[in-house]
Amino acid sequence: KNEVEQSPQNLTAQEGEFITINCSYSVGISALHWLQQHPGGGIVSLFMLSSGKKKHGRLIATINIQEKHSSLHITASHPRDSAVYICAVGSGAGSYQLTFGKGTKLSVIP
Amino acid sequence: EPEVTQTPSHQVTQMGQEVILRCVPISNHLYFYWYRQILGQKVEFLVSFYNNEISEKSEIFDDQFSVERPDGSNFTLKIRSTKLEDSAMYFCASSEAPGLYGYTFGSGTRLTVV
Repeated sequence: KNEVEQSPQNLTAQEGEFITINCSYSVGISALHWLQQHPGGGIVSLFMLSSGKKKHGRLIATINIQEKHSSLHITASHPRDSAVYICAVGSGAGSYQLTFGKGTKLSVIP
Repeated sequence: EPEVTQTPSHQVTQMGQEVILRCVPISNHLYFYWYRQILGQKVEFLVSFYNNEISEKSEIFDDQFSVERPDGSNFTLKIRSTKLEDSAMYFCASSEAPGLYGYTFGSGTRLTVV
């Protein structure tokens, strides 16, 4: 069973700061997902990665398959980025269920 | 942008009662899922559904739980006799092809068992 660990658990940043959230997993995967959960509870999919790097606006996600590690970066952070960011992995091999990390709670202060 | 719709957003039920949580997945999606998140804990997989049958289920998904796609649009999760520990946020998700396109999640149903 895959273990998904995220760090840090909590992160407070000043508006404009560059933010990095890390995710590591224990077993080889088919894909890694970064998700955003707002205080109301809904989950929004940000990225799905199986290799390399993806960018969407101020968000960048990278993955190193050999090291079993991924990072989510937010450039020029803004208070509206405040949310819980969750890493989840799919094991593949005919299974499409996701295993989730505990999430990183990000607070961006004006 | 297409959405996964879940109803109700919040349900309070007495212990031992049956509840049905409803989801309308995105219309061209073929894979459907239920996840749950107990307050303060991580999201956990419950069940996946494809081609009108369960394709995977977790240890959590015991005989008290069932899923159904009663028509071409709805996907439901039934809990037959709710327990206090079933209190959680339940998320529905769907995917056209999960290995290629990932998942779209609904906004969740918060179930409170009293």
